[in-house]
Amino acid sequence: GAVVSQHPSWVICKSGTSVKIECRSLDFQATTMFWYRQFPKQSLMLMATSNEGSKATYEQGVEKDKFLINHASLTLSTLTVTSAHPEDSSFYICSATIPGQFTEAFFGQGTRLTVV
Amino acid sequence: SQQGEEDPQALSIQEGENATMNCSYKTSINNLQWYRQNSGRGLVHLILIRSNEREKHSGRLRVTLDTSKKSSSLLITASRAADTASYFCATDSTGANNLFFGTGTRLTVIP
Repeated sequence: GAVVSQHPSWVICKSGTSVKIECRSLDFQATTMFWYRQFPKQSLMLMATSNEGSKATYEQGVEKDKFLINHASLTLSTLTVTSAHPEDSSFYICSATIPGQFTEAFFGQGTRLTVV
Repeated sequence: SQQGEEDPQALSIQEGENATMNCSYKTSINNLQWYRQNSGRGLVHLILIRSNEREKHSGRLRVTLDTSKKSSSLLITASRAADTASYFCATDSTGANNLFFGTGTRLTVIP
C-alpha cells in the first residue's frame, strides 16, 4: 500500500516558539492531504485540507494563522504551529489519498507535540 | 458537528470471542471507512464500504451499512489478543477522503 511518512514523531518545544511538522507521500503524488488533531483518548478532528499549489481549507473553529499549512509540492505538506502554547499539545496526524482513486486514506504515524 | 458516535466506548472480550462495534453518523455519505489505531500511533485502514453497499467482508472483518438508519457495524470474528486497539469509523461525504471520525471504541482482547 501507499506510504505516508510524518516527521518528527514527537517534539517538545517551549511556549511561544513555532514547530513545523512534515507530511510526505513516499511512493505517490498527493494533490490533497489532510491534517487531523487528536487529544488523549479522543477521536480525530479534521483541522484542514491541504491543497497543492493553493491555500488550505480550514474547518470551522481552526485558526488559520495559528496553524499554517503549506503544500508546496505534490509529495510534501507542512503544518506549522505558530507561537505554541501548552493547550496546543496534542497528537497531530496527516493523511493523503491517491489522486483519482477513491479508496482509503493513508495516514502518517503521527506527531506528538508537547509544549512546555 | 459532523462527528459520528460509536458504541460501546470500550469493549473487553476473551480471545476467540466475536467483537461488535457500532457507528452512527449524521450526514449523507459517499462511503464509510473503518480504521484501527494502536495507542499513540497512526491509523491503519481496515475496510471501506460505499453508500450503495450493505455488507462487506475482509478476512475476519464484516462490515454492514444501513444508510436509512445512518449506522454501520464492524464485526471482528474469532478475536485475537493482537486485535487490541481503538477502532474508529469515519465518514466521507464527498468521496474526497476528508474524513469525519466517530468517537471510537477501545477494544481489549484478553488472552
